Amino acid sequence: KQEVTQIPAALSVPEGENLVLNCSFTDSAIYNLQWFRQDPGKGLTSLLLIQSSQREQTSGRLNASLDKSSGRSTLYIAASQPGDSATYLCAVYGSGNTGKLIFGQGTTLQVKP
Amino acid sequence: NAGVTQTPKFRILKIGQSMTLQCAQDMNHNYMYWYRQDPGMGLKLIYYSVGAGITDKGEVPNGYNVSRSTTEDFPLRLELAAPSQTSVYFCASSDPSAGSYEQYFGPGTRLTVT
Repeated sequence: KQEVTQIPAALSVPEGENLVLNCSFTDSAIYNLQWFRQDPGKGLTSLLLIQSSQREQTSGRLNASLDKSSGRSTLYIAASQPGDSATYLCAVYGSGNTGKLIFGQGTTLQVKP
Repeated sequence: NAGVTQTPKFRILKIGQSMTLQCAQDMNHNYMYWYRQDPGMGLKLIYYSVGAGITDKGEVPNGYNVSRSTTEDFPLRLELAAPSQTSVYFCASSDPSAGSYEQYFGPGTRLTVT
């Protein structure tokens, strides 16, 4: 059974720091991996989707990497800002053809001014 | 396009009551999903559908039912509500023909059972 783990559960950094959020999964036979952002009391905003044939994806100050063989993905946030404060969720798509997502528990990030 | 819409946004139910959470999408996606998110946790799959007339259980289906009579709509039915069903419910859809199965999420329904 696929399990997704995100460490740390919470992170507090001063503004301007570069930071890395970690995601690990137990079954390397994944289809794709997606990172989401969730603000308190809100829905999910898709940040980056990495297809299984890709190693990384970039969008602005965000860079996500995928290493299927080791069961790991990282989300790198450059020059963090207070507006980056949110919960970041990692989710993997199983290798079947149903598109089901399996989520980690999330990392709650606080960027202090 | 409105994308994925969910109604209601908030609801309080008494124990034993029933209700239907509505989900609709206007992107002509064949695949649709229902998730629940408990406080401080990630999302867990309740039910999913790969097309009209086809539904299947996810990780946490007990206490819920779904139907998929049209491509656009995927309602989630709660029978005999219990406090354990207090959660935020998210509906999502995807288009497998696009090759990535990328899911698009609705804004969620916050349900409290007391």
